Amino acid sequence: DTGVSQDPRHKITKRGQNVTFRCDPISEHNRLYWYRQTLGQGPEFLTYFQNEAQLEKSRLLSDRFSAERPKGSFSTLEIQRTEQGDSAMYLCASSFLGQGTDTQYFGPGTRLTVL
Amino acid sequence: AQSVTQLDSQVPVFEEAPVELRCNYSSSVSVYLFWYVQYPNQGLQLLLKYLSGSTLVKGINGFEAEFNKSQTSFHLRKPSVHISDTAEYFCAVTPNFGNEKLTFGTGTRLTIIP
Repeated sequence: DTGVSQDPRHKITKRGQNVTFRCDPISEHNRLYWYRQTLGQGPEFLTYFQNEAQLEKSRLLSDRFSAERPKGSFSTLEIQRTEQGDSAMYLCASSFLGQGTDTQYFGPGTRLTVL
Repeated sequence: AQSVTQLDSQVPVFEEAPVELRCNYSSSVSVYLFWYVQYPNQGLQLLLKYLSGSTLVKGINGFEAEFNKSQTSFHLRKPSVHISDTAEYFCAVTPNFGNEKLTFGTGTRLTIIP
């Protein structure tokens, strides 16, 4: 039984560069969530998908951020023209809608550092 | 909208002593409540959850929490802590109509003193 995986685990980039992160959810999970966690804070919701449909986006998700889940399996989160304020841990979680337990399982996260 | 308050940002406790980590929430609708633990440089692991039924919930690693609707609280407790419990603990809430986004508190760093 594999959990949620994220790639890469760490990313260092220069301001202005584009970065892309990948999340592979638990097999058969139809919901996928992205959160951002800055130092000393709890995770903050960014967006979520049900299958391939993006159902909600937070106001935190500026137009430089885009997320996709093209086939309803893995998801990518892209940040264009990165800024130092984008430095954070990006967490992915998945869950299964239909069993009523509403438990989100988290991946290990991708730590982004923007220089 | 929901909000979560974890008043204690850091809690130092001697090994084998009991501990309580406090969580209060605010919501206009009924909610599900969760406690997650985060070890250094790792993602979040579910400790326990309250969905319905008994207000005393038992989780992994000897932790338990009690849901108190009148006080809008969901405090986490452990009767005897170990060095391995050193971590960041997050309380989270979501509306009870299913699979919505989690709203987290700012976390409590539990430090176990040998």
